[in-house]
Amino acid sequence: NAGVTQTPKFRVLKTGQSMTLLCAQDMNHEYMYWYRQDPGMGLRLIHYSVGEGTTAKGEVPDGYNVSRLKKQNFLLGLESAAPSQTSVYFCASSLAGGTLDTQYFGPGTRLTVL
Amino acid sequence: GESVGLHLPTLSVQEGDNSIINCAYSNSASDYFIWYKQESGKGPQFIIDIRSNMDKRQGQRVTVLLNKTVKHLSLQIAATQPGDSAVYFCAHVRYSGGGADGLTFGKGTHLIIQP
Repeated sequence: NAGVTQTPKFRVLKTGQSMTLLCAQDMNHEYMYWYRQDPGMGLRLIHYSVGEGTTAKGEVPDGYNVSRLKKQNFLLGLESAAPSQTSVYFCASSLAGGTLDTQYFGPGTRLTVL
Repeated sequence: GESVGLHLPTLSVQEGDNSIINCAYSNSASDYFIWYKQESGKGPQFIIDIRSNMDKRQGQRVTVLLNKTVKHLSLQIAATQPGDSAVYFCAHVRYSGGGADGLTFGKGTHLIIQP
């Protein structure tokens, strides 16, 4: 099993450009998450999904959109990138929530917005 | 509001010594806690977890202690090795009005191993 994979690994955008980050998991997990991590900070939840076709806002959702059209994929979109969105983005998945919420993380996408 | 914090941002230990990383949480309703290890340039990696009906759980070279009375969690690493150098995060299940709502992460403790 590959676990959780993310593409791309690195990306540089100009202010105002758009892009989509792809997360894929092969563990048949119901829940998927997108986090951002800034220097010296913990992980902050952007959006999450508790199942195919569902999405919900996390702690810092502004400026991002997500879609979960297939159970194994969770897409994070930036419609008009801003320098404040320069960060490392991590995707994670878990079997379920609550006490089954052991989250498994992908390797991250390093995004720079100029 | 909920918070998960760590007492020290950096911990430096000698190779071979035991390491103890601490974490405080504020939500007494939390019933599931996880420790993650994040090496430079990688995603967080699950180390060990503990449920609130336990006060101690052991893994390979790691032990997690949970003190619900003072809302404190610790990770003990025995015989620290160079490969243990990383940032360690504690996390706990976050609860909202609708139930379990993902994990809240602390800011992390950077463990540095001195030769």
